Amino acid sequence: GAGVSQSPSNKVTEKGKDVELRCDPISGHTALYWYRQSLGQGLEFLIYFQGNSAPDKSGLPSDRFSAERTGGSVSTLTIQRTQQEDSAVYLCASSFPTSGVTGANVLTFGAGSRLTVL
Amino acid sequence: AQRVTQPEKLLSVFKGAPVELKCNYSYSGSPELFWYVQYSRQRLQLLLRHISRESIKGFTADLNKGETSFHLKKPFAQEEDSAMYYCALSNTGGFKTIFGAGTRLFVKA
Repeated sequence: GAGVSQSPSNKVTEKGKDVELRCDPISGHTALYWYRQSLGQGLEFLIYFQGNSAPDKSGLPSDRFSAERTGGSVSTLTIQRTQQEDSAVYLCASSFPTSGVTGANVLTFGAGSRLTVL
Repeated sequence: AQRVTQPEKLLSVFKGAPVELKCNYSYSGSPELFWYVQYSRQRLQLLLRHISRESIKGFTADLNKGETSFHLKKPFAQEEDSAMYYCALSNTGGFKTIFGAGTRLFVKA
C-alpha cells in the first residue's frame, strides 16, 4: 500500500474487555514496530518484528499484551482484560532495514489507533 | 541498555530566535541517531539522521560521542516549526529503535 495503515483509528472499550489493533505495513517492509504514545510518557517501545519473528518483546508492559505477525505482513496487537491505564495511542511503523548500512533504518509511521478504556 | 533522554518536555521561543532541543543517549555500541517530528494532526515522520549530516528545514544535529549527545538546532525559529520532536536511537545493525519522551516546541509570533 501507499503507507502504513492502522485500524481502528478510534476504539472505546470497557474495562476488562479484550481489544485487537491491526497494522498493515508498507508492502515489502520487513520490519514492523509497535509503540505506545501517551501524555507524559513519550513514545514507548512495545515490540518489533523482523519478518514474522519478534526478536525483542521486552517492551510489552504485561502478559495481557501480545502481538503477532503473519505472512511477513499484517500485524495484530492484542490487549486482554483492558485496564484504564492502557488508554493511549498505539502507533505502528514499518521499515526496510539494510543491515550494515548506517542510518538506513528509517521508520514510516501509521496514523495510530486511539484506545480509550472506560 | 539503550536509553534516550530529552530533558525538556516543553520549549517555547519567539519567532526568529535560535532554538536547541537537547537529546542525550546511552548505548554501548555505535549508535545510529535520528530526529523525528510530529506536526499537529500529522503522522510522525523523519526529520533528519546523523549519518546524512544534512540540514532539513534549517535544522541540523551533530553527534557528539564524547558527550553522548545529539542536539537539534536551528538558528532562526519559525512559527511552522511548532511541533513535537522526538530523538531516536537504533542499535548497531539498525533494527530496534527507541525514542525519547519528546519535546514540544512552541514558536511564538
